[in-house]
Amino acid sequence: DGGITQSPKYLFRKEGQNVTLSCEQNLNHDAMYWYRQDPGQGLRLIYYSQIVNDFQKGDIAEGYSVSREKKESFPLTVTSAQKNPTAFYLCATAQGAKNIQYFGAGTRLSVL
Amino acid sequence: QKEVEQNSGPLSVPEGAIASLNCTYSDRGSQSFFWYRQYSGKSPELIMFIYSNGDKEDGRFTAQLNKASQYVSLLIRDSQPSDSATYLCAVILGTYKYIFGTGTRLKVLA
Repeated sequence: DGGITQSPKYLFRKEGQNVTLSCEQNLNHDAMYWYRQDPGQGLRLIYYSQIVNDFQKGDIAEGYSVSREKKESFPLTVTSAQKNPTAFYLCATAQGAKNIQYFGAGTRLSVL
Repeated sequence: QKEVEQNSGPLSVPEGAIASLNCTYSDRGSQSFFWYRQYSGKSPELIMFIYSNGDKEDGRFTAQLNKASQYVSLLIRDSQPSDSATYLCAVILGTYKYIFGTGTRLKVLA
């Protein structure tokens, strides 16, 4: 079953805690992205990676960290420095000259 | 000025009518343009992409691009209640960075 798998679907964070959101893909796509979406808002880019072992900050990287040790995986850590983490987090991949982007099902993060 | 602008709506159309969604962008160098549909609580799904000036049709959907005026639109013919969703316009800056609009909420009235 090909696609992009995000886990968990729902996640709760306690104050001062770091949490990690998983994104795995078996599409063999080079580029991977993390977005944050707040209610009634568009998608804001957190980080993106074009190749393994390389990633760039997006528009709202503060309080987040990523790694890209494998082509298939691009985990996002929401650190305690992110004071307002409640949002819908979306992982996406892209491939090809036209760089068409496809999304996982998302992770909804809330603060306890 | 926002890089990609959309009217937030809601845009209400009767069932069977044509829904017209519009998007303007600020970067004249943009080459690739996308429309995504997002149902409430779900992730975006690709509807159309367009790279050249003019119209591109796919079933009930038509994307229109006018690079000189820096706008891209999406027409939905024979609108159905199942088309009720938020439609996101996206533009690629450079090679890899997508910029999304805030979306237009469409309501198709039965």
